[in-house]
Amino acid sequence: LAKTTQPISMDSYEGQEVNITCSHNNIATNDYITWYQQFPSQGPRFIIQGYKTKVTNEVASLFIPADRKSSTLSLPRVSLSDTAVYYCLVGDIVSYQKVTFGTGTKLQVIP
Amino acid sequence: DVKVTQSSRYLVKRTGEKVFLECVQDMDHENMFWYRQDPGLGLRLIYFSYDVKMKEKGDIPEGYSVSREKKERFSLILESASTNQTSMYLCAAERLGWGYTFGSGTRLTVV
Repeated sequence: LAKTTQPISMDSYEGQEVNITCSHNNIATNDYITWYQQFPSQGPRFIIQGYKTKVTNEVASLFIPADRKSSTLSLPRVSLSDTAVYYCLVGDIVSYQKVTFGTGTKLQVIP
Repeated sequence: DVKVTQSSRYLVKRTGEKVFLECVQDMDHENMFWYRQDPGLGLRLIYFSYDVKMKEKGDIPEGYSVSREKKERFSLILESASTNQTSMYLCAAERLGWGYTFGSGTRLTVV
């Protein structure tokens, strides 16, 4: 299973774009990259998933370089409500396997 | 909207008690998971199930067992609760390719 490494914490001011990078050097050919968001006292919530290049939805963008050894979650113009822990996961989505969440990145948005 | 429901939001049990944590999903998903979350340790996988009556150990199965008699229900059992099992317990269901849907969690205190 691919191991991921992300910063423990980040601070950002409201209105700024936030980029959180995740390293996954031993990503396998069939692995996808998925990001989750977790607020205190709640379960994590799916944000975005991708395999390569760029994926965008109404919440975030996910940038994946050609070698796929890292990925960057981009949150445009964050607000205070984006304060949360963000987890990067790597795993095969076409066959079951256990997935390790790690400790994630705690994003604090400052007024 | 898809849902994963955990039977209790808060639970207080005594040391040595047998504890059942119930999780029900309404999405007909094959894969279900039990995690525990502790400060500074992220989410750690206890057990998962990829089909009815099938189960596999996660990273920290000791002291726990699971039951999946029906596709929609995945139960976590603490055979003899101990104080070090005080934690937030999160259940999730997965549709391959669409990520995890988590329940709201059960905060268990063992006294």
